[in-house]
Amino acid sequence: DTGVSQDPRHKITKRGQNVTFRCDPISEHNRLYWYRQTLGQGPEFLTYFQNEAQLEKSRLLSDRFSAERPKGSFSTLEIQRTEQGDSAMYLCASSSPWTGAGYTFGSGTRLTVV
Amino acid sequence: QKEVEQNSGPLSVPEGAIASLNCTYSDRGSQSFFWYRQYSGKSPELIMFIYSNGDKEDGRFTAQLNKASQYVSLLIRDSQPSDSATYLCAVNILDNNAGNMLTFGGGTRLMVKP
Repeated sequence: DTGVSQDPRHKITKRGQNVTFRCDPISEHNRLYWYRQTLGQGPEFLTYFQNEAQLEKSRLLSDRFSAERPKGSFSTLEIQRTEQGDSAMYLCASSSPWTGAGYTFGSGTRLTVV
Repeated sequence: QKEVEQNSGPLSVPEGAIASLNCTYSDRGSQSFFWYRQYSGKSPELIMFIYSNGDKEDGRFTAQLNKASQYVSLLIRDSQPSDSATYLCAVNILDNNAGNMLTFGGGTRLMVKP
């Protein structure tokens, strides 16, 4: 296990469609984060899992967004009824339990809503 | 007021010069501080982290932290064209519900000219 994997790398979808992204964290990392990044901005926090428990969600995460990490391993982020404003890079990161540890990011999924 | 602020740049320096990147943060309870480098179209990669006041050196990179002034900086010595990227400052805002949640600044774009 050499890093955080995200799939797909790119997704183009029509407005109103649902999309789902997958993230496989580093195996020994129990903490998993989803961030969203738009052009020229820093990553914005969306949600956080410790093992299978979703412990924190940002106000940015509207009702159309849902995330799961059913077995404490991989995670999925689903966006329902996509809007053009959802176009962004969706980044997954994982970290060890050590307080203060930095993240390792995946390559990201770039979503374009047309 | 944003929690983590960076000058968006671009900061342009000649090859071989020292590049100085700055970041201020608003939460005095912040525990740890990270610098990430992000090439265009890629995900952020961790360069350095610092927890204690003072300087921390790693190769050509030096991170400086002043908690009293709520200021963290990154110095890049002998800048190379390959250092041209966006540099993201991230701060661990201590929050028991969100683990190691990092809050990112908007990034500073660095251009190193040959």
